[in-house]
Amino acid sequence: QVHLVQSGAEVKRPGASVKVSCKASGYTFTSYSVAWVRQAPGQGLEWMGWISPYNGNTNYPQKFQGRVSVTADTSRTTAFMELRTLRSDDTALYFCARRTWIGEISYFDFWGQGTLVTVSS
Amino acid sequence: DIQMTQSPSSLSASVGDRVTITCRASQNISNYLNWYQQKPGKAPKLLIYGASNLQSGVPSRFSGGGSGTDFTLTSSSLQPDDFATYYCQQSYRYPRTFGRGTKVDI
Repeated sequence: QVHLVQSGAEVKRPGASVKVSCKASGYTFTSYSVAWVRQAPGQGLEWMGWISPYNGNTNYPQKFQGRVSVTADTSRTTAFMELRTLRSDDTALYFCARRTWIGEISYFDFWGQGTLVTVSS
Repeated sequence: DIQMTQSPSSLSASVGDRVTITCRASQNISNYLNWYQQKPGKAPKLLIYGASNLQSGVPSRFSGGGSGTDFTLTSSSLQPDDFATYYCQQSYRYPRTFGRGTKVDI
């Protein structure tokens, strides 16, 4: 069965960086993109980008370009999300998710458990 | 960016009720619409993809409909496990965007 297991909670100072990992198992890692979605306290869901572990291609929304990097280590079937220059409003629960598609329809069918990142001075 | 507007933002219902949630896109997204269920502190769970396709393992009381700009998610008979927040998400264009959620409680 498919599992995505994320690294533990982090506390960071404003201006620092954070790197969250997402270990995938139960499927062929290079056959599916891994996406990152975050949720600020009491707020909705926000897509941050994804990577194709097959070829390393990435896609980020303009809001996060230059501040977020998503990478993948195929030997460890693990994806990573690094967010730089942290601000207090980056405090959120960060999820990784597997991106699946049928034809041209894509969706997030399996999710990690979430990693809480707290940014505080 | 494509804006996804859900209504209502919250609703109160009882076990056994038929409940429908609406999601409207700011432009035509064909059937590139997915629905997720989320419980507090947990990851979202995929319910419906492609506007009307039931994800494997999801109870058949859930159904999705619509195309273009207007979509619905319906539970035909609300069960205790269905009290949660529901989000729509478009996969038509970048950036991928979600609705702000509809909280279903007792």
